[in-house]
Amino acid sequence: DVKVTQSSRYLVKRTGEKVFLECVQDMDHENMFWYRQDPGLGLRLIYFSYDVKMKEKGDIPEGYSVSREKKERFSLILESASTNQTSMYLCASSTPTPSGRMREQYFGPGTRLTVT
Amino acid sequence: KQEVTQIPAALSVPEGENLVLNCSFTDSAIYNLQWFRQDPGKGLTSLLLIQSSQREQTSGRLNASLDKSSGRSTLYIAASQPGDSATYLCAVKTAGSQGNLIFGKGTKLSVKP
Repeated sequence: DVKVTQSSRYLVKRTGEKVFLECVQDMDHENMFWYRQDPGLGLRLIYFSYDVKMKEKGDIPEGYSVSREKKERFSLILESASTNQTSMYLCASSTPTPSGRMREQYFGPGTRLTVT
Repeated sequence: KQEVTQIPAALSVPEGENLVLNCSFTDSAIYNLQWFRQDPGKGLTSLLLIQSSQREQTSGRLNASLDKSSGRSTLYIAASQPGDSATYLCAVKTAGSQGNLIFGKGTKLSVKP
């Protein structure tokens, strides 16, 4: 079974702090994703990575950065946390088929971040 | 820009009923469509994935159909149970989106005993 784990289920940080959210997958997937989920707005893509050291901006990258030094690990970084970054953060991974199409995305349990 | 809509936003049914959840998308040039389940405060669990060349997929009491030309998918749940209560999300991968999914806002299902 594919397993995607996230470092924390709940996190409380203060405004201005640097925050690291870690995601690890154990299925050798090439693609990894960070989403945030907010009531009424649904899931929105922040960043994704299709290979080690590669990253692409999603729909809402402002205020975030990412790091992918190893294939199994994808980190989301909030350089200076703000209250509008209070949200549920979800990590996902997937692997392309030989034709380049996409197999299923598998999600982690989520990290609920509160910035006070 | 691809938009995904799920109707209704919430649904309440008695146990044992068969039900259909709807998902529509504006751009028919999709690679695949995926249905997820999300329990309160939890991550997403993948239920079914339909490739663009397929018309339907089945898993147990779940059946998902895809009509690309009309931009619609349905998730059919047979003989609903209280344990099916959750939010159901559909998401599409559009050509050129490099792997990321575009999500609907979900249908919150409540199955009452």
